[in-house]
Amino acid sequence: DGGITQSPKYLFRKEGQNVTLSCEQNLNHDAMYWYRQDPGQGLRLIYYSQIVNDFQKGDIAEGYSVSREKKESFPLTVTSAQKNPTAFYLCASGGLEGGWTGELFFGEGSRLTVL
Amino acid sequence: GQNIDQPTEMTATEGAIVQINCTYQTSGFNGLFWYQQHAGEAPTFLSYNVLDGLEEKGRFSSFLSRSKGYSYLLLKELQMKDSASYLCAVSFPGDKIIFGKGTRLHILP
Repeated sequence: DGGITQSPKYLFRKEGQNVTLSCEQNLNHDAMYWYRQDPGQGLRLIYYSQIVNDFQKGDIAEGYSVSREKKESFPLTVTSAQKNPTAFYLCASGGLEGGWTGELFFGEGSRLTVL
Repeated sequence: GQNIDQPTEMTATEGAIVQINCTYQTSGFNGLFWYQQHAGEAPTFLSYNVLDGLEEKGRFSSFLSRSKGYSYLLLKELQMKDSASYLCAVSFPGDKIIFGKGTRLHILP
C-alpha cells in the first residue's frame, strides 16, 4: 500500500545528543515537508524539499538539518543546538505534478522527548 | 508577511452548523487548505481552494476570497466526532506551506 512512514514513533534523548527521525514515502511525490507541533499549537515548518538534492529552510530551521538524497526519503536530524526539541514531529509529502489536489499526506508522527 | 489567523477555540452543539474563519496576510498566495486533526493524530485533508468561491464536500464546505485574504470552513449537522482541531494552511510559490495555529472545536451534546 502507498503511504508515508515515520520512525520511530516515540524517542527519548539525553540533552546534548543528536537524533535522526526517518521519513519514507512510496507515493512518488516530489515535495516533502517536516513540521513541528507543540501542545495545543499548530504546525510550524522546519524544512521542505521540492526535489531530490534540494531543500529549503522553513520558519524554525535553527538546530535542525535535513538531506534529500533519494526521492523517497527525507530524514530530519535534531541537533544539540536545538534548545527546546521536545515536540511532536510530522513529516508530509505532496505531488507537484499537474492535477495535484493540494493534499498533503502525513506520516503518523514522531514524539521526541528530551530528558 | 505570512500571518495566518484563526480563532483559538469554538464551541457548538451537536446537529448545529459552525463556521470557522481564517484570514491571511500574504503576497504571492497560491491556495488555501483546511485540515482536521484529532488529538495525538496526524492531520487529515479536508479541502483545497485555489479560486474564489464555495466548494462543498458533504457536510463540509470551504469558501475563499482571494481579494479579502479570507476563508471559512463550514461544518453542518455537527456530530460528536467532529470535535477536533481545524487547521488553516496557505501555500506559496515554491511549494512552501504554512499552517495557522488551529481552531479547537468542542461539540456539546
